[in-house]
Amino acid sequence: EAQVTQNPRYLITVTGKKLTVTCSQNMNHEYMSWYRQDPGLGLRQIYYSMNVEVTDKGDVPEGYKVSRKEKRNFPLILESPSPNQTSLYFCASSFQLAGASEQFFGPGTRLTVL
Amino acid sequence: RKEVEQDPGPFNVPEGATVAFNCTYSNSASQSFFWYRQDCRKEPKLLMSVYSSGNEDGRFTAQLNRASQYISLLIRDSKLSDSATYLCVVLTGANNLFFGTGTRLTVIP
Repeated sequence: EAQVTQNPRYLITVTGKKLTVTCSQNMNHEYMSWYRQDPGLGLRQIYYSMNVEVTDKGDVPEGYKVSRKEKRNFPLILESPSPNQTSLYFCASSFQLAGASEQFFGPGTRLTVL
Repeated sequence: RKEVEQDPGPFNVPEGATVAFNCTYSNSASQSFFWYRQDCRKEPKLLMSVYSSGNEDGRFTAQLNRASQYISLLIRDSKLSDSATYLCVVLTGANNLFFGTGTRLTVIP
């Protein structure tokens, strides 16, 4: 089944404790991205990647890191999480450029930072 | 000013009703437009792309008005299963995809 998977789905952590949210897609998509969704603000892009070893900042990259060592994986790293990073996070992938094709989203990761 | 703006609703309509949502975008150079659907606590999924000439998919019709910089989504004969949040999405530039905050629809029996 073609899909985007994220892990963990739910995470409660404390300020400053490094964490990684994994994202993997099995559709051989080149384009992958991370979003956060907050009430009243909608989905905002954190980082995106056009291909392996190519990443770039989205609208709200502060406090986040990403890597793209393999085509299928695009982990999101929070080196020192803070309470304002409490949010619902979605990973997405698409065949090529962001708008040229459908974005496939993972099921979401609900993160709470205490 | 936000790149994409939508009326958050909620829109509460009876089954069988016709309902329309509008979405405005700020950048006149935007080149691609979409409607996504998001069910409660779920991921967004593409509902339909919006083409310049307008397009229809069953009970759903999407329109684009470049002069006024808005897109619309019309749902005819609303079903209970149409209850969801509808996200307007605009592509501006090479890779800048902007999402609206969504319009919440509840179809009432």
